[in-house]
Amino acid sequence: TQLLEQSPQFLSIQEGENLTVYCNSSSVFSSLQWYRQEPGEGPVLLVTVVTGGEVKKLKRLTFQFGDARKDSSLHITAAQPGDTGLYLCAGETAGGTSYGKLTFGQGTILTVHP
Amino acid sequence: NAGVMQNPRHLVRRRGQEARLRCSPMKGHSHVYWYRQLPEEGLKFMVYLQKENIIDESGMPKERFSAEFPKEGPSILRIQQVVRGDSAAYFCASSPYQYEQYFGPGTRLTVT
Repeated sequence: TQLLEQSPQFLSIQEGENLTVYCNSSSVFSSLQWYRQEPGEGPVLLVTVVTGGEVKKLKRLTFQFGDARKDSSLHITAAQPGDTGLYLCAGETAGGTSYGKLTFGQGTILTVHP
Repeated sequence: NAGVMQNPRHLVRRRGQEARLRCSPMKGHSHVYWYRQLPEEGLKFMVYLQKENIIDESGMPKERFSAEFPKEGPSILRIQQVVRGDSAAYFCASSPYQYEQYFGPGTRLTVT
């Protein structure tokens, strides 16, 4: 069974601060996806990283995939109250009939105070 | 382009009844996945389907749960003889190819 450990579980910061969320596993993933989920809604895809060592930027958000494709991080620069929400990482299983199956981390609840 | 559609958004069933959850994937997407989010738990994979085929059902409980994705029409997740432990949010995702899955708004099932 593949596991994805996401940390921290809760993060409460002031507007303007930087933060990093981590996802770690002992398993290799063919890709890793980051989602944001609002209460009562489904996860919304933010980014997909595929290649080991890959870095993608989305405005103030920077996503990195580890060289061995076992871990990933999400870094937010100068957080704003609008960034408040639940952030989820999800690894896609590599190979076989499990192709496409996502293993989710437990999520990070981010609160940005004005 | 319309996103992934799920209905109903909320479903209340008494213990022992059947629950049918529907998912219409995004246009052009032929891969459908179902996930369950139990209270205080993360999202868990249930089943992966392509048109008329179940590809991976390793996350589905062995009894009472079934899924289909017919040639025409939406994908259906069916739960027979529901129990209180089935109360959860059920999400469907669709994908045109590997790597990217787009989620619907979910169906919140409450078993009374």
